[in-house]
Amino acid sequence: GAVVSQHPSWVICKSGTSVKIECRSLDFQATTMFWYRQFPKQSLMLMATSNEGSKATYEQGVEKDKFLINHASLTLSTLTVTSAHPEDSSFYICSARTGSSDNQPQHFGDGTRLSIL
Amino acid sequence: AQKITQTQPGMFVQEKEAVTLDCTYDTSDQSYGLFWYKQPSSGEMIFLIYQGSYDEQNATEGRYSLNFQKARKSANLVISASQLGDSAMYFCAMREEEGNFNKFYFGSGTKLNVKP
Repeated sequence: GAVVSQHPSWVICKSGTSVKIECRSLDFQATTMFWYRQFPKQSLMLMATSNEGSKATYEQGVEKDKFLINHASLTLSTLTVTSAHPEDSSFYICSARTGSSDNQPQHFGDGTRLSIL
Repeated sequence: AQKITQTQPGMFVQEKEAVTLDCTYDTSDQSYGLFWYKQPSSGEMIFLIYQGSYDEQNATEGRYSLNFQKARKSANLVISASQLGDSAMYFCAMREEEGNFNKFYFGSGTKLNVKP
């Protein structure tokens, strides 16, 4: 089945550093990729939607300059948390989909646990 | 092998009827958690229900219940009295504990359409 690889799985870094998370679709072309952040009550907040070759669409309340998303190819999207602070500590998950239709399945990465000291 | 399998890409249900969305999982862990999320067209993922591997009773949350059959490794979501607003994508997920952190695995989703 379709595989999405997310890397790294777990990262710990000092406050003020930037962290890049990669999301790769290994065996299909991902026209659309989504980035989510998990909050303590289990729900996943959609941060942004990115389509290959165009700028990401951010959800309200998500800082574009802080969470940089690049979807440079049909198999790779990156999320860079710039100047990370402890409040950015969370679980980040990406997903990928071929096409723009809601009817098409999404395939999720395993997630990245980000801990900012 | 896939960790989470949702075999129904799409389903239709008549309003006010009950519907079951299938989910099977694969794990060798003793301790794990099972989740269902609803994703409306807005893209957010709304947590619906959780079942822990040690919970003996099936989880229920309002109109949602999770039919947990541990020996079969299935965690089907049952929605009773379907409403038009239930039309959405539904994802089954599992959390395993690996060392100091958890890993999440998602199914590919089931698109539910509720007909008036």
